[in-house]
Amino acid sequence: EIVLTQSPGTLSLSPGERATLSCRASQSVSNRYLAWYQQKPGQAPRLLIYGASSRATGIPDRFSGSGSGTDFTLTISRLEPEDFAVYCCQQYGSSPPTFGGGTKVEIK
Amino acid sequence: QLQLQESGPGLVTPSETLSLTCSVSGGSIGNSFFYWGWVRQSPGKGLEWLGVINYSGVAFYNPSLSTRVTISVDSSKNEFSLNLNSVTAADTAVYYCARPPWELRPAAAFDIWGQGTLVTVSS
Repeated sequence: EIVLTQSPGTLSLSPGERATLSCRASQSVSNRYLAWYQQKPGQAPRLLIYGASSRATGIPDRFSGSGSGTDFTLTISRLEPEDFAVYCCQQYGSSPPTFGGGTKVEIK
Repeated sequence: QLQLQESGPGLVTPSETLSLTCSVSGGSIGNSFFYWGWVRQSPGKGLEWLGVINYSGVAFYNPSLSTRVTISVDSSKNEFSLNLNSVTAADTAVYYCARPPWELRPAAAFDIWGQGTLVTVSS
């Protein structure tokens, strides 16, 4: 199965700053089938990005995804207070789908 | 608006079977070609895809659990279920049911999730 490694483990930033999160796959993710989720304590994950760069319904355009092959990035252009959370990537190009360990974006 | 709701025991004895049901409202399992799934999250750890099933009972499982997991569907009740046998403390987790945005694809992202239910394995 494909192992996804996310970095950094924790990102300490201030509101208004730019966040850049990385997701690296142990093998190439076919068709750029890579998703990003946001998860807050006690809540289910929320789909942000699918297909590496397509925003899910209702997701603000400050969230963007990029990448292909084994290297993918989630960028939050300007952090809003509600964006401080854990972010997780998932590949669904190969079975079984697998998730990364997550990056926590915390307030500096 | 589609909603999913997990239900089942919050405490399971080691070596027994964990059984959960996901009730679907605001939409019909039988009138669609989605693969309905289960995902779990162990305390302080990442998410793990357990498997999916469609309206006709075609299921796909995570190979790491395939000898212990069974997913079934009851379209007449608009629900699908997870059974995980021979549980240990390592199976303690929040269990989510979920649905992808697209039909016909077993391996997919999920955009609709239940609220999750914590299942603790302990004697």
